[in-house]
Amino acid sequence: GDSVTQMEGPVTLSEEAFLTINCTYTATGYPSLFWYVQYPGEGLQLLLKATKADDKGSNKGFEATYRKETTSFHLEKGSVQVSDSAVYFCALVPRYNAGNMLTFGGGTRLMVKP
Amino acid sequence: ETGVTQTPRHLVMGMTNKKSLKCEQHLGHNAMYWYKQSAKKPLELMFVYSLEERVENNSVPSRFSPECPNSSHLFLHLHTLQPEDSALYLCASSLAGGPDEQFFGPGTRLTVL
Repeated sequence: GDSVTQMEGPVTLSEEAFLTINCTYTATGYPSLFWYVQYPGEGLQLLLKATKADDKGSNKGFEATYRKETTSFHLEKGSVQVSDSAVYFCALVPRYNAGNMLTFGGGTRLMVKP
Repeated sequence: ETGVTQTPRHLVMGMTNKKSLKCEQHLGHNAMYWYKQSAKKPLELMFVYSLEERVENNSVPSRFSPECPNSSHLFLHLHTLQPEDSALYLCASSLAGGPDEQFFGPGTRLTVL
């Protein structure tokens, strides 16, 4: 079946450091890929997405590129802020899926210190 | 109201109580989902409704009973829960058929005493 693997956290960085959160996936066909973010006490929010190979999703300074050859969708940000502290989830949805069901990774907690 | 709303935001109940969680989406979507999020465990998909029909039930205990009266509303009826059912319950919606992102509500924090 489909699966998503993320690096385990927590990831602790100082403000303005470079961030990478690794995500790899296993799926049949060509899924759409997503990064969601969950701030404390809130639900999940879509951060960015990519729907086909070599697409780059970007939002709020975060970027991720759909790499079919390595089945990866790593999340990056050049300079993190304290306000980026949250849990980040990588997810996929298969191309043909009647219920549009997401498969999530386990989540990676990011802590940014001033 | 915009997006996906959930009520109540917090709920404390005893093991013998019956309660219901409510979710409403204002996005014109036609698929809705219930997830369970426990500490130190991955997100668990519980139920999926697409076009008001249940399409997925991931072996959820019968003490959880979903109801989807129309494409905008989703309920989760709870009865005789166990302490291990304490978790954040998240509702989401999307367009059926995919692939498309899901939009999440803020969740209901449930504590079972």
